[in-house]
Amino acid sequence: ILNVEQSPQSLHVQEGDSTNFTCSFPSSNFYALHWYRWETAKSPEALFVMTLNGDEKKKGRISATLNTKEGYSYLYIKGSQPEDSATYLCASIDSSSTGKLIFGQGTTLQVKP
Amino acid sequence: EAGVAQSPRYKIIEKRQSVAFWCNPISGHATLYWYQQILGQGPKLLIQFQNNGVVDDSQLPKDRFSAERLKGVDSTLKIQPAKLEDSAVYLCASSLIIGAGANYGYTFGSGTRLTVV
Repeated sequence: ILNVEQSPQSLHVQEGDSTNFTCSFPSSNFYALHWYRWETAKSPEALFVMTLNGDEKKKGRISATLNTKEGYSYLYIKGSQPEDSATYLCASIDSSSTGKLIFGQGTTLQVKP
Repeated sequence: EAGVAQSPRYKIIEKRQSVAFWCNPISGHATLYWYQQILGQGPKLLIQFQNNGVVDDSQLPKDRFSAERLKGVDSTLKIQPAKLEDSAVYLCASSLIIGAGANYGYTFGSGTRLTVV
Protein backbone atom coordinates (compact mmCIF):
# COMPACT_ATOMS: atom_id res chain seq x y z
CA ILE A 1 0.00 0.00 0.00
CA LEU A 2 1.28 3.45 -0.96
CA ASN A 3 2.17 5.91 1.77
CA VAL A 4 1.26 9.48 0.88
CA GLU A 5 2.35 12.20 3.30
CA GLN A 6 1.33 15.85 3.43
CA SER A 7 2.80 18.76 5.36
CA PRO A 8 2.06 20.84 7.21
CA GLN A 9 -0.99 19.30 8.87
CA SER A 10 -2.52 22.76 9.40
CA LEU A 11 -1.74 26.33 8.50
CA HIS A 12 -3.08 29.69 9.62
CA VAL A 13 -2.29 32.68 7.40
CA GLN A 14 -3.47 36.26 6.97
CA GLU A 15 -5.46 37.37 3.98
CA GLY A 16 -3.08 38.29 1.18
CA ASP A 17 -0.30 35.92 2.28
CA SER A 18 1.01 33.37 -0.17
CA THR A 19 1.43 29.82 1.02
CA ASN A 20 2.45 26.38 -0.14
CA PHE A 21 1.94 22.78 0.91
CA THR A 22 3.90 19.61 0.22
CA CYS A 23 2.75 16.16 -0.81
CA SER A 24 5.21 13.25 -0.93
CA PHE A 25 4.45 9.88 -2.50
CA PRO A 26 6.32 6.74 -3.57
CA SER A 27 7.92 7.41 -6.95
CA SER A 28 7.92 3.78 -8.07
CA ASN A 29 4.94 2.63 -10.16
CA PHE A 30 3.64 6.21 -10.29
CA TYR A 31 0.55 6.74 -12.46
CA ALA A 32 -1.11 10.02 -11.46
CA LEU A 33 -1.42 12.57 -8.68
CA HIS A 34 -4.62 14.39 -7.75
CA TRP A 35 -5.18 17.50 -5.64
CA TYR A 36 -8.60 18.11 -4.06
CA ARG A 37 -10.05 20.98 -2.07
CA TRP A 38 -12.54 19.97 0.62
CA GLU A 39 -14.61 22.69 2.26
CA THR A 40 -16.60 21.92 5.38
CA ALA A 41 -19.98 20.29 4.66
CA LYS A 42 -19.23 20.13 0.93
CA SER A 43 -17.88 17.53 -1.51
CA PRO A 44 -14.14 17.26 -2.18
CA GLU A 45 -13.53 19.13 -5.43
CA ALA A 46 -10.82 18.15 -7.89
CA LEU A 47 -8.25 20.90 -8.43
CA PHE A 48 -5.56 19.25 -10.52
CA VAL A 49 -4.70 15.92 -12.12
CA MET A 50 -1.01 15.55 -12.89
CA THR A 51 0.89 12.74 -14.55
CA LEU A 52 4.13 13.97 -16.13
CA ASN A 53 7.37 14.79 -14.38
CA GLY A 54 7.81 18.56 -14.40
CA ASP A 55 4.08 19.20 -14.85
CA GLU A 56 2.92 22.61 -13.72
CA LYS A 57 -0.79 23.41 -13.56
CA LYS A 58 -2.59 26.62 -12.65
CA LYS A 59 -6.15 27.57 -11.80
CA GLY A 60 -6.57 31.20 -10.87
CA ARG A 61 -4.38 31.92 -7.83
CA ILE A 62 -3.65 28.23 -7.21
CA SER A 63 -0.88 26.30 -8.94
CA ALA A 64 0.82 22.94 -8.52
CA THR A 65 4.04 21.29 -9.59
CA LEU A 66 5.01 17.63 -9.85
CA ASN A 67 8.32 15.78 -9.49
CA THR A 68 7.74 12.09 -10.15
CA LYS A 69 11.42 11.12 -9.93
CA GLU A 70 11.76 12.23 -6.32
CA GLY A 71 8.11 11.73 -5.42
CA TYR A 72 6.76 15.12 -4.40
CA SER A 73 4.25 17.76 -5.44
CA TYR A 74 3.80 21.32 -4.24
CA LEU A 75 0.56 23.28 -4.13
CA TYR A 76 0.87 27.08 -4.08
CA ILE A 77 -1.78 29.64 -3.25
CA LYS A 78 -0.93 33.23 -4.15
CA GLY A 79 -2.62 36.03 -2.18
CA SER A 80 -4.76 33.80 0.06
CA GLN A 81 -8.39 34.80 0.55
CA PRO A 82 -10.79 33.71 3.32
CA GLU A 83 -12.68 31.62 0.76
CA ASP A 84 -9.51 29.53 0.29
CA SER A 85 -10.02 28.14 3.79
CA ALA A 86 -10.42 24.40 3.35
CA THR A 87 -8.63 21.08 3.66
CA TYR A 88 -6.36 20.33 0.71
CA LEU A 89 -5.91 16.64 -0.04
CA CYS A 90 -3.42 15.05 -2.37
CA ALA A 91 -3.85 11.50 -3.61
CA SER A 92 -1.66 9.21 -5.67
CA ILE A 93 -2.60 6.44 -8.07
CA ASP A 94 -0.26 3.47 -8.46
CA SER A 95 0.17 2.06 -11.96
CA SER A 96 -0.21 -1.46 -10.62
CA SER A 97 -3.52 -0.68 -8.91
CA THR A 98 -7.08 -0.48 -10.11
CA GLY A 99 -7.22 3.31 -10.16
CA LYS A 100 -7.88 3.77 -6.48
CA LEU A 101 -6.72 7.01 -4.88
CA ILE A 102 -4.37 6.75 -1.91
CA PHE A 103 -4.79 9.93 0.09
CA GLY A 104 -2.50 11.89 2.34
CA GLN A 105 -3.89 13.14 5.63
CA GLY A 106 -4.54 16.61 4.23
CA THR A 107 -3.46 20.16 5.02
CA THR A 108 -6.10 22.36 6.66
CA LEU A 109 -5.75 26.01 5.72
CA GLN A 110 -7.36 28.86 7.66
CA VAL A 111 -7.15 32.32 6.09
CA LYS A 112 -7.91 35.15 8.49
CA PRO A 113 -9.43 38.37 7.09
CA GLU B 1 -24.50 17.27 -14.86
CA ALA B 2 -25.91 16.14 -11.53
CA GLY B 3 -23.31 15.31 -8.91
CA VAL B 4 -22.83 12.21 -6.78
CA ALA B 5 -25.77 11.95 -4.38
CA GLN B 6 -25.38 10.53 -0.90
CA SER B 7 -27.80 10.05 1.96
CA PRO B 8 -28.24 10.56 4.80
CA ARG B 9 -26.00 13.57 5.49
CA TYR B 10 -25.72 12.80 9.20
CA LYS B 11 -26.43 9.77 11.34
CA ILE B 12 -26.04 9.15 15.05
CA ILE B 13 -26.43 5.59 16.32
CA GLU B 14 -25.54 3.60 19.39
CA LYS B 15 -22.78 1.00 19.27
CA ARG B 16 -23.95 -2.44 18.17
CA GLN B 17 -26.75 -0.92 16.07
CA SER B 18 -26.76 -1.21 12.28
CA VAL B 19 -26.71 1.58 9.71
CA ALA B 20 -26.85 1.89 5.92
CA PHE B 21 -25.64 4.58 3.56
CA TRP B 22 -26.75 5.15 -0.01
CA CYS B 23 -24.88 6.54 -3.01
CA ASN B 24 -26.04 7.40 -6.53
CA PRO B 25 -23.06 8.12 -8.81
CA ILE B 26 -22.82 10.29 -11.91
CA SER B 27 -24.91 8.78 -14.71
CA GLY B 28 -22.73 6.56 -16.90
CA HIS B 29 -19.87 6.27 -14.44
CA ALA B 30 -18.87 2.63 -14.28
CA THR B 31 -16.51 2.86 -11.31
CA LEU B 32 -17.75 3.60 -7.80
CA TYR B 33 -15.66 3.99 -4.64
CA TRP B 34 -16.54 4.08 -0.94
CA TYR B 35 -14.02 5.87 1.28
CA GLN B 36 -13.89 6.20 5.07
CA GLN B 37 -12.38 9.37 6.51
CA ILE B 38 -11.65 9.30 10.23
CA LEU B 39 -10.98 12.66 11.85
CA GLY B 40 -7.34 13.68 11.42
CA GLN B 41 -6.66 11.06 8.74
CA GLY B 42 -6.92 10.98 4.97
CA PRO B 43 -9.78 9.11 3.28
CA LYS B 44 -9.17 5.36 3.10
CA LEU B 45 -10.68 3.16 0.38
CA LEU B 46 -13.15 0.60 1.68
CA ILE B 47 -14.42 -0.88 -1.57
CA GLN B 48 -14.28 -0.25 -5.32
CA PHE B 49 -16.90 -1.45 -7.83
CA GLN B 50 -16.64 -1.67 -11.60
CA ASN B 51 -20.26 -1.81 -12.76
CA ASN B 52 -21.76 -4.36 -10.35
CA GLY B 53 -18.55 -6.28 -9.67
CA VAL B 54 -16.11 -5.78 -6.79
CA VAL B 55 -12.62 -4.74 -7.92
CA ASP B 56 -10.98 -4.10 -4.54
CA ASP B 57 -12.35 -4.73 -1.05
CA SER B 58 -9.03 -5.52 0.61
CA GLN B 59 -9.51 -2.89 3.34
CA LEU B 60 -13.19 -3.54 4.03
CA PRO B 61 -13.73 -5.02 7.52
CA LYS B 62 -15.89 -7.83 6.21
CA ASP B 63 -16.97 -9.07 9.63
CA ARG B 64 -19.13 -5.96 10.00
CA PHE B 65 -19.15 -4.01 6.74
CA SER B 66 -20.91 -5.00 3.54
CA ALA B 67 -21.58 -3.19 0.28
CA GLU B 68 -23.46 -3.89 -2.90
CA ARG B 69 -24.10 -2.34 -6.28
CA LEU B 70 -26.66 -4.76 -7.65
CA LYS B 71 -27.64 -3.07 -10.91
CA GLY B 72 -24.34 -1.34 -11.51
CA VAL B 73 -25.78 2.06 -10.68
CA ASP B 74 -26.46 3.08 -7.08
CA SER B 75 -24.79 1.45 -4.12
CA THR B 76 -25.38 0.84 -0.42
CA LEU B 77 -22.81 0.43 2.34
CA LYS B 78 -23.90 -1.24 5.57
CA ILE B 79 -22.32 -1.54 8.99
CA GLN B 80 -23.65 -4.20 11.35
CA PRO B 81 -22.92 -4.01 14.25
CA ALA B 82 -21.34 -0.58 14.53
CA LYS B 83 -18.40 0.13 16.84
CA LEU B 84 -17.25 3.41 18.32
CA GLU B 85 -14.24 3.47 15.95
CA ASP B 86 -16.58 3.50 12.94
CA SER B 87 -17.33 7.16 13.63
CA ALA B 88 -16.18 8.85 10.44
CA VAL B 89 -17.27 10.54 7.24
CA TYR B 90 -18.19 8.03 4.54
CA LEU B 91 -17.53 9.38 1.07
CA CYS B 92 -18.75 7.97 -2.21
CA ALA B 93 -16.98 8.82 -5.46
CA SER B 94 -17.37 7.82 -9.09
CA SER B 95 -15.31 7.88 -12.25
CA LEU B 96 -16.08 7.09 -15.86
CA ILE B 97 -13.85 4.00 -16.09
CA ILE B 98 -10.85 2.44 -14.38
CA GLY B 99 -7.83 4.39 -15.63
CA ALA B 100 -9.73 7.66 -15.99
CA GLY B 101 -7.65 8.96 -13.09
CA ALA B 102 -4.84 9.94 -15.47
CA ASN B 103 -7.10 12.51 -17.08
CA TYR B 104 -9.92 13.39 -14.73
CA GLY B 105 -10.47 14.01 -11.08
CA TYR B 106 -13.03 11.79 -9.42
CA THR B 107 -16.43 13.20 -8.48
CA PHE B 108 -17.26 12.92 -4.80
CA GLY B 109 -20.51 13.17 -2.90
CA SER B 110 -20.76 15.37 0.16
CA GLY B 111 -20.48 12.36 2.45
CA THR B 112 -22.36 10.90 5.40
CA ARG B 113 -21.07 11.87 8.82
CA LEU B 114 -21.58 8.91 11.18
CA THR B 115 -21.31 9.24 14.93
CA VAL B 116 -21.40 6.06 17.00
CA VAL B 117 -22.09 6.64 20.70
